[in-house]
Amino acid sequence: QSVLTQPASMSGSPGQSITISCTGTNSDIGGNNFVSWYQQYPGKAPKLMIFDVNNRPSGVSNRFFGSKSGNTASLTISGLQAEDEADYYCSSYTTSNTWMFGGGTKLTVL
Amino acid sequence: EVQLVQSGAEVKKPGESLKISCKGSGYRFTSYRIGWVRQMPGKGLEWMGIIYPADSDTRYSPPFQGQVSISVDKSISTAYLQWSSLKASDTAMYYCARRYCIAATCYWGFDYWGQGTLVTVSS
Repeated sequence: QSVLTQPASMSGSPGQSITISCTGTNSDIGGNNFVSWYQQYPGKAPKLMIFDVNNRPSGVSNRFFGSKSGNTASLTISGLQAEDEADYYCSSYTTSNTWMFGGGTKLTVL
Repeated sequence: EVQLVQSGAEVKKPGESLKISCKGSGYRFTSYRIGWVRQMPGKGLEWMGIIYPADSDTRYSPPFQGQVSISVDKSISTAYLQWSSLKASDTAMYYCARRYCIAATCYWGFDYWGQGTLVTVSS
């Protein structure tokens, strides 16, 4: 199964901003505005952080910002905090009515 | 309070069948699509399929088509994921999740997740 491409790992210091990329194709990310992002702590279920590219569900911190340019979606986390250390996954709907996740990015807060 | 509660961990042998469940509560079960997600040990998330409980319309992600079956029982607000013949490679955590909707508008995102069901297949 093809997946959306994310960096395997990223790191940042408290207070910094980081941007996690998610690269797909014209058939998924580039073909619609149906991109979501999830945060997952070890041993826990994923949590929805961003839906439809750049929208936050109620209760999600405004330090999390989603965007998209062409075939690449991005999740920016500003003012990094220790609690942001987790795995992050992008997800996209596709033009063939299927869905996929990115491979996941392990974020370390130094 | 919206909740998705999944059935407990399972240990099975290759070739055995299995049906795991996901019970929704605190909302109108038939109005929200339910998705199933696989996470193999130490690996990422994979979409398996999505079902609309109102009419049981089900779509499968290509790698899982023909490998699993997704169903619902509306009368007890429960979705199911079923295998007819397990393989060792089915060993994974399986999550159900509810599609994110506000009023009559649904978005690409899943806001409530079950706690996960760990399936171990070993001889």
